[in-house]
Amino acid sequence: EAQVTQNPRYLITVTGKKLTVTCSQNMNHEYMSWYRQDPGLGLRQIYYSMNVEVTDKGDVPEGYKVSRKEKRNFPLILESPSPNQTSLYFCASSSLGGSGANVLTFGAGSRLTVL
Amino acid sequence: AQSVTQPDIHITVSEGASLELRCNYSYGATPYLFWYVQSPGQGLQLLLKYFSGDTLVQGIKGFEAEFKRSQSSFNLRKPSVHWSDAAEYFCAVIGVTGTASKLTFGTGTRLQVTL
Repeated sequence: EAQVTQNPRYLITVTGKKLTVTCSQNMNHEYMSWYRQDPGLGLRQIYYSMNVEVTDKGDVPEGYKVSRKEKRNFPLILESPSPNQTSLYFCASSSLGGSGANVLTFGAGSRLTVL
Repeated sequence: AQSVTQPDIHITVSEGASLELRCNYSYGATPYLFWYVQSPGQGLQLLLKYFSGDTLVQGIKGFEAEFKRSQSSFNLRKPSVHWSDAAEYFCAVIGVTGTASKLTFGTGTRLQVTL
Protein backbone atom coordinates (compact mmCIF):
# COMPACT_ATOMS: atom_id res chain seq x y z
CA GLU A 1 0.00 0.00 0.00
CA ALA A 2 1.26 3.43 -0.97
CA GLN A 3 1.76 5.42 2.18
CA VAL A 4 3.68 7.95 4.22
CA THR A 5 4.62 6.70 7.67
CA GLN A 6 5.43 9.00 10.57
CA ASN A 7 6.74 8.08 13.99
CA PRO A 8 6.03 8.66 16.76
CA ARG A 9 2.33 9.43 16.46
CA TYR A 10 2.23 10.97 19.92
CA LEU A 11 5.04 12.41 22.00
CA ILE A 12 5.29 14.40 25.20
CA THR A 13 8.69 15.85 25.93
CA VAL A 14 10.33 18.62 27.95
CA THR A 15 11.93 21.86 26.88
CA GLY A 16 15.41 21.41 25.46
CA LYS A 17 15.37 17.63 24.97
CA LYS A 18 16.32 16.89 21.37
CA LEU A 19 13.86 14.80 19.41
CA THR A 20 13.43 13.44 15.91
CA VAL A 21 10.20 12.69 14.11
CA THR A 22 10.76 10.20 11.33
CA CYS A 23 8.99 10.17 7.98
CA SER A 24 9.22 7.50 5.31
CA GLN A 25 7.42 7.06 2.00
CA ASN A 26 7.26 4.00 -0.26
CA MET A 27 6.17 5.68 -3.50
CA ASN A 28 9.57 6.77 -4.81
CA HIS A 29 8.44 10.40 -4.61
CA GLU A 30 10.99 13.11 -5.28
CA TYR A 31 9.27 15.75 -3.18
CA MET A 32 8.79 15.60 0.59
CA SER A 33 7.65 18.25 3.04
CA TRP A 34 6.84 18.92 6.68
CA TYR A 35 3.88 20.96 7.88
CA ARG A 36 2.62 21.99 11.26
CA GLN A 37 -1.07 22.44 11.95
CA ASP A 38 -2.29 24.83 14.62
CA PRO A 39 -5.88 25.88 15.39
CA GLY A 40 -6.99 28.80 13.25
CA LEU A 41 -3.75 28.84 11.26
CA GLY A 42 -4.25 25.90 8.92
CA LEU A 43 -1.16 24.11 7.64
CA ARG A 44 2.13 25.94 7.52
CA GLN A 45 5.14 24.55 5.73
CA ILE A 46 8.28 24.04 7.80
CA TYR A 47 10.81 22.57 5.35
CA TYR A 48 10.68 20.80 2.05
CA SER A 49 12.94 18.72 -0.17
CA MET A 50 12.85 18.45 -3.95
CA ASN A 51 15.17 15.43 -3.99
CA VAL A 52 18.02 13.72 -2.15
CA GLU A 53 20.42 16.20 -0.52
CA VAL A 54 18.20 19.14 -1.61
CA THR A 55 16.28 20.86 1.18
CA ASP A 56 14.86 24.34 1.62
CA LYS A 57 13.04 26.44 4.19
CA GLY A 58 9.31 26.81 4.17
CA ASP A 59 7.30 29.48 5.95
CA VAL A 60 8.12 28.58 9.57
CA PRO A 61 11.57 26.90 9.69
CA GLU A 62 12.87 28.43 12.95
CA GLY A 63 13.76 25.79 15.54
CA TYR A 64 13.70 22.88 13.11
CA LYS A 65 16.20 20.96 11.01
CA VAL A 66 15.76 18.35 8.31
CA SER A 67 17.92 16.06 6.22
CA ARG A 68 17.36 14.06 3.06
CA LYS A 69 20.08 11.44 2.79
CA GLU A 70 17.84 8.85 1.19
CA LYS A 71 14.94 9.37 -1.17
CA ARG A 72 12.41 7.62 1.04
CA ASN A 73 13.24 9.30 4.38
CA PHE A 74 12.84 12.89 5.55
CA PRO A 75 13.27 13.23 9.33
CA LEU A 76 12.30 16.37 11.22
CA ILE A 77 14.68 17.31 14.02
CA LEU A 78 13.95 19.59 16.94
CA GLU A 79 17.36 20.31 18.47
CA SER A 80 16.02 22.17 21.51
CA PRO A 81 12.23 21.99 21.62
CA SER A 82 10.25 24.83 23.17
CA PRO A 83 6.59 24.99 24.21
CA ASN A 84 5.68 27.03 21.12
CA GLN A 85 6.55 23.97 19.06
CA THR A 86 3.66 22.07 20.60
CA SER A 87 1.63 21.21 17.53
CA LEU A 88 0.36 18.57 15.14
CA TYR A 89 2.96 17.74 12.52
CA PHE A 90 2.40 16.24 9.10
CA CYS A 91 4.83 14.80 6.61
CA ALA A 92 3.78 14.70 2.96
CA SER A 93 5.23 13.58 -0.36
CA SER A 94 4.45 13.82 -4.04
CA SER A 95 5.92 13.09 -7.41
CA LEU A 96 7.09 16.03 -9.49
CA GLY A 97 6.01 14.57 -12.83
CA GLY A 98 3.27 12.48 -14.36
CA SER A 99 -0.40 12.35 -13.46
CA GLY A 100 0.28 12.51 -9.73
CA ALA A 101 2.47 15.57 -9.90
CA ASN A 102 1.97 17.96 -7.01
CA VAL A 103 -0.73 15.84 -5.40
CA LEU A 104 0.36 15.39 -1.81
CA THR A 105 0.08 12.13 0.10
CA PHE A 106 0.06 12.84 3.84
CA GLY A 107 1.14 10.84 6.83
CA ALA A 108 -1.27 10.32 9.72
CA GLY A 109 0.31 13.06 11.81
CA SER A 110 2.48 13.32 14.91
CA ARG A 111 1.09 15.16 17.90
CA LEU A 112 3.91 16.73 19.86
CA THR A 113 3.61 18.35 23.27
CA VAL A 114 6.55 20.24 24.75
CA LEU A 115 6.31 20.96 28.48
CA ALA B 1 1.71 36.32 -3.17
CA GLN B 2 -0.92 33.65 -3.52
CA SER B 3 -3.47 33.12 -0.78
CA VAL B 4 -6.54 31.06 0.00
CA THR B 5 -9.53 32.16 2.05
CA GLN B 6 -12.08 29.83 3.56
CA PRO B 7 -14.58 32.25 5.10
CA ASP B 8 -16.44 29.67 7.18
CA ILE B 9 -14.52 28.34 10.17
CA HIS B 10 -17.30 25.99 11.24
CA ILE B 11 -20.46 24.72 9.50
CA THR B 12 -23.20 22.49 10.83
CA VAL B 13 -25.61 20.65 8.53
CA SER B 14 -28.18 17.94 9.03
CA GLU B 15 -27.57 14.52 7.58
CA GLY B 16 -29.15 14.36 4.13
CA ALA B 17 -28.95 18.10 3.57
CA SER B 18 -26.88 19.66 0.83
CA LEU B 19 -23.48 21.20 1.52
CA GLU B 20 -21.40 23.98 0.04
CA LEU B 21 -18.01 24.96 1.44
CA ARG B 22 -16.56 28.19 0.15
CA CYS B 23 -13.04 28.78 -1.08
CA ASN B 24 -11.66 31.96 -2.60
CA TYR B 25 -8.12 32.25 -3.88
CA SER B 26 -5.81 35.02 -4.88
CA TYR B 27 -3.35 34.23 -7.61
CA GLY B 28 -2.13 36.27 -10.54
CA ALA B 29 -2.17 33.51 -13.13
CA THR B 30 -3.91 30.20 -13.81
CA PRO B 31 -4.09 28.19 -10.63
CA TYR B 32 -4.12 24.54 -9.75
CA LEU B 33 -6.76 24.01 -7.05
CA PHE B 34 -7.28 21.23 -4.53
CA TRP B 35 -9.64 20.17 -1.79
CA TYR B 36 -8.35 17.93 0.98
CA VAL B 37 -10.29 16.35 3.85
CA GLN B 38 -8.95 15.59 7.31
CA SER B 39 -10.96 13.09 9.32
CA PRO B 40 -10.45 13.07 13.09
CA GLY B 41 -7.07 11.61 14.04
CA GLN B 42 -6.00 11.16 10.45
CA GLY B 43 -3.88 12.86 7.86
CA LEU B 44 -5.21 14.82 4.92
CA GLN B 45 -6.68 12.99 1.95
CA LEU B 46 -7.21 14.43 -1.52
CA LEU B 47 -10.89 14.87 -2.39
CA LEU B 48 -10.46 16.39 -5.83
CA LYS B 49 -8.29 18.67 -7.91
CA TYR B 50 -8.64 21.09 -10.79
CA PHE B 51 -5.78 21.45 -13.22
CA SER B 52 -7.51 22.37 -16.48
CA GLY B 53 -10.47 21.50 -18.68
CA ASP B 54 -14.01 21.11 -17.40
CA THR B 55 -14.56 23.59 -14.59
CA LEU B 56 -16.85 21.18 -12.72
CA VAL B 57 -14.68 18.55 -11.11
CA GLN B 58 -15.87 15.30 -9.56
CA GLY B 59 -14.08 13.80 -6.61
CA ILE B 60 -14.28 10.93 -4.19
CA LYS B 61 -17.09 10.34 -1.70
CA GLY B 62 -19.65 12.10 -3.91
CA PHE B 63 -18.06 15.54 -3.70
CA GLU B 64 -17.72 17.99 -6.56
CA ALA B 65 -16.26 21.47 -6.95
CA GLU B 66 -16.65 24.19 -9.53
CA PHE B 67 -13.86 26.51 -10.62
CA LYS B 68 -15.16 30.01 -11.35
CA ARG B 69 -12.35 32.17 -12.64
CA SER B 70 -14.44 35.36 -12.64
CA GLN B 71 -15.15 34.95 -8.93
CA SER B 72 -11.75 33.46 -8.00
CA SER B 73 -13.64 30.67 -6.30
CA PHE B 74 -13.49 26.90 -6.04
CA ASN B 75 -16.43 25.92 -3.86
CA LEU B 76 -16.94 22.34 -2.72
CA ARG B 77 -20.41 20.80 -2.88
CA LYS B 78 -22.22 17.62 -1.98
CA PRO B 79 -25.94 17.03 -2.65
CA SER B 80 -26.61 14.90 0.43
CA VAL B 81 -24.30 14.83 3.44
CA HIS B 82 -23.64 11.65 5.42
CA TRP B 83 -22.66 11.58 9.09
CA SER B 84 -19.25 10.19 8.06
CA ASP B 85 -18.53 13.46 6.21
CA ALA B 86 -17.91 15.21 9.51
CA ALA B 87 -14.30 16.36 9.19
CA GLU B 88 -12.15 19.38 8.45
CA TYR B 89 -11.85 20.50 4.85
CA PHE B 90 -8.94 22.41 3.35
CA CYS B 91 -8.74 24.24 0.07
CA ALA B 92 -5.29 24.73 -1.49
CA VAL B 93 -3.74 26.46 -4.51
CA ILE B 94 -0.53 26.54 -6.52
CA GLY B 95 0.29 28.14 -9.84
CA VAL B 96 0.45 26.03 -13.00
CA THR B 97 4.17 26.64 -13.18
CA GLY B 98 4.68 25.88 -9.52
CA THR B 99 5.41 22.70 -7.65
CA ALA B 100 4.07 21.25 -4.45
CA SER B 101 6.62 23.35 -2.58
CA LYS B 102 4.49 26.40 -3.33
CA LEU B 103 1.19 24.90 -2.24
CA THR B 104 -0.80 27.31 -0.04
CA PHE B 105 -3.57 26.03 2.21
CA GLY B 106 -6.60 27.80 3.57
CA THR B 107 -7.25 27.75 7.30
CA GLY B 108 -9.88 25.05 6.97
CA THR B 109 -13.63 24.61 7.53
CA ARG B 110 -14.80 22.21 10.18
CA LEU B 111 -17.98 20.38 9.19
CA GLN B 112 -20.32 19.04 11.84
CA VAL B 113 -23.17 16.75 10.79
CA THR B 114 -26.24 16.40 12.98
CA LEU B 115 -28.44 13.32 12.84
